[in-house]
Amino acid sequence: DTGVSQDPRHKITKRGQNVTFRCDPISEHNRLYWYRQTLGQGPEFLTYFQNEAQLEKSRLLSDRFSAERPKGSFSTLEIQRTEQGDSAMYLCASTPRGNHNEQFFGPGTRLTVL
Amino acid sequence: GDSVTQMEGPVTLSEEAFLTINCTYTATGYPSLFWYVQYPGEGLQLLLKATKADDKGSNKGFEATYRKETTSFHLEKGSVQVSDSAVYFCALRDDKIIFGKGTRLHILP
Repeated sequence: DTGVSQDPRHKITKRGQNVTFRCDPISEHNRLYWYRQTLGQGPEFLTYFQNEAQLEKSRLLSDRFSAERPKGSFSTLEIQRTEQGDSAMYLCASTPRGNHNEQFFGPGTRLTVL
Repeated sequence: GDSVTQMEGPVTLSEEAFLTINCTYTATGYPSLFWYVQYPGEGLQLLLKATKADDKGSNKGFEATYRKETTSFHLEKGSVQVSDSAVYFCALRDDKIIFGKGTRLHILP
């Protein structure tokens, strides 16, 4: 257990529905990252925050995806109008101020879109 | 852009065998390099890291050396155990982390 928590751990939804995931980073970690991992692949970067500011977004993050970190602590990732291709493990990671070399990963949220 | 290429799996070895998992990278700068491990049913864990050329990262009997001249960061272990069965990811850091596709390792008793 790294101290990064994610909720829910599993989500099954029907195509077209909206889903929202939450990530709670390690307390006082100022950077928070979202990744997506599909079966048989390595995690792919989606976006990251420094405090409440979203500093970078991947081209993988289509208009249906939105992430927020309103108070610079927990973050949410919302997917609107889900598609079967969104089925994946969504990983969150955080790093402390002044040392961004080691990212601490949460257990992930596994999304299945039927 | 930056990228990581690692040997495809699965790799199947007998217990106490020598392990090498090859990893090469492409980067414009001098990134930090990592090996992460994902045990069955668990999240990603940092196994070891190296932040500059010729650094050797080590942990749990695993080692990897940052080779700038060959742009490589091969993972080695002298004697593997059944408990080492997992998926291993080579990665580099460029603010976000760029991962390889992973190598599944099976160790037979």
